[in-house]
Amino acid sequence: SQKIEQNSEALNIQEGKTATLTCNYTNYSPAYLQWYRQDPGRGPVFLLLIRENEKEKRKERLKVTFDTTLKQSLFHITASQPADSATYLCALDRGSTLGRLYFGRGTQLTVWP
Amino acid sequence: GAVVSQHPSWVICKSGTSVKIECRSLDFQATTMFWYRQFPKQSLMLMATSNEGSKATYEQGVEKDKFLINHASLTLSTLTVTSAHPEDSSFYICSARGDVEKLFFGSGTQLSVL
Repeated sequence: SQKIEQNSEALNIQEGKTATLTCNYTNYSPAYLQWYRQDPGRGPVFLLLIRENEKEKRKERLKVTFDTTLKQSLFHITASQPADSATYLCALDRGSTLGRLYFGRGTQLTVWP
Repeated sequence: GAVVSQHPSWVICKSGTSVKIECRSLDFQATTMFWYRQFPKQSLMLMATSNEGSKATYEQGVEKDKFLINHASLTLSTLTVTSAHPEDSSFYICSARGDVEKLFFGSGTQLSVL
């Protein structure tokens, strides 16, 4: 069965540094991969989508890479701010219908001043 | 941006009762909506895909008679947890597909069954 691992349950960094989160997956070849932000008691908020034929995608301070050979995606937040503190979720498509997703457990990021 | 409204945000009920959760797309039409469930410290798990005007498609292991899904219009899908039991206590989240590459999630419903 599909397995998604996000490198650590928690990551603490200092404001201004770059946060790097890892998502590894097995037993699957997704057509695309997505990253979401989730705050406590709230639904996920879409951040970025990267397709299997794309190696990198950027949006403002966010950057995502996708290595289908390693079965890994890296999610970077540059110039991190305390407001970036949240749980970040990696999600893979389950095929056939856009929106059917496998989610990782998430990495809780804390950015301290 | 597109907004998905989910109601109620939390509900407490007695064991054996039924609870209905609504999911609305406020400023776009969603032919397809999705229902997820999330236990504390766990990942979101897809329960079912809801298609407007047709029967929902349930994921393996999800009881369709217990989790009734209705998608009567292009902006509304409902999830009814029938004969709820304490083990059904969870965070339920809906999502709707907007344009090609974006999904929009509701704010979730925390269900507590006593």
